[in-house]
Amino acid sequence: AQSVAQPEDQVNVAEGNPLTVKCTYSVSGNPYLFWYVQYPNRGLQFLLKYITGDNLVKGSYGFEAEFNKSQTSFHLKKPSALVSDSALYFCAVRDLIPSGGYNKLIFGAGTRLAVHP
Amino acid sequence: GAGVSQSPSNKVTEKGKDVELRCDPISGHTALYWYRQSLGQGLEFLIYFQGNSAPDKSGLPSDRFSAERTGGSVSTLTIQRTQQEDSAVYLCASSPFGPNFEAFFGQGTRLTVV
Repeated sequence: AQSVAQPEDQVNVAEGNPLTVKCTYSVSGNPYLFWYVQYPNRGLQFLLKYITGDNLVKGSYGFEAEFNKSQTSFHLKKPSALVSDSALYFCAVRDLIPSGGYNKLIFGAGTRLAVHP
Repeated sequence: GAGVSQSPSNKVTEKGKDVELRCDPISGHTALYWYRQSLGQGLEFLIYFQGNSAPDKSGLPSDRFSAERTGGSVSTLTIQRTQQEDSAVYLCASSPFGPNFEAFFGQGTRLTVV
């Protein structure tokens, strides 16, 4: 079965510093990986995805993520953090049905990012 | 509409009452998902629709929970005999069919059972 893990409940970073939010995955077959962000009292917003091709994926709000097949990781990064980046971040993987169909998105537990001035 | 629409945005109900939550997906999206989120926590999968059928309903917590989708569009999540532990934000999402498409989420329905 497909799964994702976000090993950090919370990440703290100073404004202007680079940030990394970690995600590892376990899949059978090709992974379809996604990052979402949730601001307080808001729904989830899509940030970026990895389907195939270039291992460095660029997304919204200056975020990017690096797909690493050998380490089964898909870490979210940003070169310079903003206070407004403070939010809850979720990594997700597309669930696959053994018969070859596609299914729901499986989400990690989430990582709370706090960017301090 | 431009996005996924959920109604009501807030619902307060008494323990033991039935509630219906509605989701209007993005037009043309054949896949529809229901999740729930307890306060500030992760997402718990409930049910997945492809068209009007539900190939995965493994996340429904009990037989008090049911969902349907009609016309390949609107979906209704029904909770019967609500309990306090049902209090959460119920999120609906939709996407085109296929593994490479991201899901678009609605703003959610905040359910409070008193």
